[in-house]
Amino acid sequence: DTGVSQDPRHKITKRGQNVTFRCDPISEHNRLYWYRQTLGQGPEFLTYFQNEAQLEKSRLLSDRFSAERPKGSFSTLEIQRTEQGDSAMYLCATAGPGTDTQYFGPGTRLTVL
Amino acid sequence: AQSVAQPEDQVNVAEGNPLTVKCTYSVSGNPYLFWYVQYPNRGLQFLLKYITGDNLVKGSYGFEAEFNKSQTSFHLKKPSALVSDSALYFCAVRDYGGATNKLIFGTGTLLAVQP
Repeated sequence: DTGVSQDPRHKITKRGQNVTFRCDPISEHNRLYWYRQTLGQGPEFLTYFQNEAQLEKSRLLSDRFSAERPKGSFSTLEIQRTEQGDSAMYLCATAGPGTDTQYFGPGTRLTVL
Repeated sequence: AQSVAQPEDQVNVAEGNPLTVKCTYSVSGNPYLFWYVQYPNRGLQFLLKYITGDNLVKGSYGFEAEFNKSQTSFHLKKPSALVSDSALYFCAVRDYGGATNKLIFGTGTLLAVQP
């Protein structure tokens, strides 16, 4: 257990529905990342927060995706109008100030039917 | 652009034998390199990293990695494999673009340790 938690661990939804995932970081970690991992691939960067500011978004993050980190604590990732291609593992990682090491949560596995 | 390559999809080794999982990198500056391990349906666990200094980096669970600048490699090693080491291993490099320090991962190598 790295100290980073994610909820839910698994989500099955129907195409067109909206889903929201939550990440709770290690308490002193001010930097938070979302990655997406599809079967047979390594994680791919989606977005980055430093405290409450969203500083970078990948081209992978279409307009249907939105992420927030109110008050610089937990973060949420919402996918609107889900598509089958959104099926993946969504990973959250956090890092403290002055370190390059990212610690990952257990992930949320999304299945879109 | 920064990238890493893991040339082997799978590595098979007998328990007690030494193991090596290969990684090569391509970066525009000094590389910051990482190894992570992933067990089924779990997130990634940090094993070790190379930032600067000694070319041999020691990490968790008896793993080590050797940084070789001339060969642009960062291979993961362990002197004696355990069945419990069977998992998916990812090499990653820190991206220099912007201020995010995001990681760029390889495609992963599945390590299978036979008893």
